[in-house]
Parts: sequence; structure tokens; C-alpha cells
Amino acid sequence: DTGVSQDPRHKITKRGQNVTFRCDPISEHNRLYWYRQTLGQGPEFLTYFQNEAQLEKSRLLSDRFSAERPKGSFSTLEIQRTEQGDSAMYLCASSPSFTPDGEAFFGQGTRLTVV
Amino acid sequence: GESVGLHLPTLSVQEGDNSIINCAYSNSASDYFIWYKQESGKGPQFIIDIRSNMDKRQGQRVTVLLNKTVKHLSLQIAATQPGDSAVYFCAENPNTGNQFYFGTGTSLTVIP
Repeated sequence: DTGVSQDPRHKITKRGQNVTFRCDPISEHNRLYWYRQTLGQGPEFLTYFQNEAQLEKSRLLSDRFSAERPKGSFSTLEIQRTEQGDSAMYLCASSPSFTPDGEAFFGQGTRLTVV
Repeated sequence: GESVGLHLPTLSVQEGDNSIINCAYSNSASDYFIWYKQESGKGPQFIIDIRSNMDKRQGQRVTVLLNKTVKHLSLQIAATQPGDSAVYFCAENPNTGNQFYFGTGTSLTVIP
């Protein structure tokens, strides 16, 4: 499968715990996005990487959230001290384009439930 | 933040009919738009895009129309099929960076 891969697909955690999600983009895609999607809503932008550089972060991304893409390939999104409001689907997307134009390929997402 | 809204949250059409899904956007500076399709349990899938220097763009069975005067975008699906049943999102890029702002989505149900 050469699509965007996200792991895990589902995560249930207790409030206050830390969680980390992984995204493996399509090989050689230099652009990588993280989005968050709650039920019945469209995806909300969280952050964007161009290769290993994190170039944009949403104001939605509080200090508890951190994302990395250390070698310009896979990326991780960590949420510290999870809260119930963090429950959502976390989507990763990648694109080969050097501009925002063009198709971004989304993974199937990681569904986080904070109990 | 940006506001990208859809006029109808749900739409039901008969198989074989044409579907029209509408989207309003608020940022007149937005110059690039994408329509995505999201099936249950899956990530969004790119359908078609359009730049602001165009009014219309056609793909396979889909057409996107852009009216910059009233900041309105529509997606037309010809000969709608059961496999078209999904939630459809429009997304805009306001030309200030790499963020895309998604609308709430329209749920399309195709009746066999």
C-alpha cells in the first residue's frame, strides 16, 4: 500500500495521559499536514511541514500539542496531558507539491477517545 | 478564523440524477479551492480543484463552478451513482500560507 499510513487507527486514553500518533506519508512527498476532525465537522488545520521544517502552526495547537518530522519522512503528533476535548479524529495528509496547490492525500486517521 | 459554509447539510438524490452541492466562503482573498469527498471511516479524498482565475473546471462527471462576486462555489455531479454517497467538503486556501479551511460538509445520499 503506497498511501498515507497512520498508526494507531484507534486510541483510547485516560484524561491526563500523553499520546503519540505516527504518520507515514507517501514516499518523497515533501508536504505534510496534520488536521483534526470532530464528528459532523470539516477537518481543522493543525500544522504543516515542508520536508523537516514545521512552517505553520494553527492557533488551535496549544502548548500541549507538538509535532515533529525529524528526517522529512514520517511525522509524529504528541498530545500531552490529554483532555476530553481532545477527542477527535486526527488526520495526516501529504502532497508532492511545492505550493498549496494540488492534491493532498489523506490517511484514514487516528481516532482518539479521551475518557 | 475563516468561514467556509455550506448551504445544505444533507442532500438526497435519485440515482442517475445530477447533484449540486453548494459552498459559501468568506475570504475574498482566497484564490484556490478544493472539493473533497469523505466516505465513512476514511480520510477525505480529493475530487477537483479550481483557482480563482477560473470560473469553471470539469473533471470526470464532476464540475466545479466558482462565482467570486458572491463568494460561492458549487460542485456538480452528473449521473449520480450510489458510490457517490459521502460527505462533501469544500476547502479554501486564503493565499496567506499553507492552511486550508474546510466547510462543515454536505452529506449526499443517493437513492437507488
